[in-house]
Amino acid sequence: EPEVTQTPSHQVTQMGQEVILRCVPISNHLYFYWYRQILGQKVEFLVSFYNNEISEKSEIFDDQFSVERPDGSNFTLKIRSTKLEDSAMYFCASSADGTNTGELFFGEGSRLTVL
Amino acid sequence: AQSVAQPEDQVNVAEGNPLTVKCTYSVSGNPYLFWYVQYPNRGLQFLLKYITGDNLVKGSYGFEAEFNKSQTSFHLKKPSALVSDSALYFCAVRGIDSNYQLIWGAGTKLIIKP
Repeated sequence: EPEVTQTPSHQVTQMGQEVILRCVPISNHLYFYWYRQILGQKVEFLVSFYNNEISEKSEIFDDQFSVERPDGSNFTLKIRSTKLEDSAMYFCASSADGTNTGELFFGEGSRLTVL
Repeated sequence: AQSVAQPEDQVNVAEGNPLTVKCTYSVSGNPYLFWYVQYPNRGLQFLLKYITGDNLVKGSYGFEAEFNKSQTSFHLKKPSALVSDSALYFCAVRGIDSNYQLIWGAGTKLIIKP
């Protein structure tokens, strides 16, 4: 069964460092998303991406965040200068269509710990 | 503002008994409702959704959910719980208030005891 894969599964970094989280969406999917889940809190939408550009982003997704689809298979989330409060589980998701009724397929997450 | 509430942090059920995980929502217009499950150390996995039509929707692993418009609820149910159902369950809604991005409940930990 096709799945979304994410790397690394866990990354520990120092505050102020840059971090890149990688995702390989399901191959025929066209819509890509990043969500995050701070420990013990709700899942939060960060950004959606379609046709090589951001289609939607939340208030959380400020200038320190960026996304890219560099090679047609990977979908990356970059955090330029990490802060302690960026510590969370980051989930990548993809969907075959961008309709409001479609389900998302999630990766297993990348746990980011900022020290 | 659009919101989703899962009033129970944890639900404990004995194996073989029916289970219910509650979800209520607040959204303008017609909601699109989803349930996702998160097994330990795994990603979020789609279970079922309500878009339109029959209020009772069936999903993966024997789960079902009932959409109740008057009570603005979308409770997740299963007639006979399995130990393997133990996981974290998230209700989510899409509506015009959030420009159709998924808004998530806080999650309910379901523990099935043998």
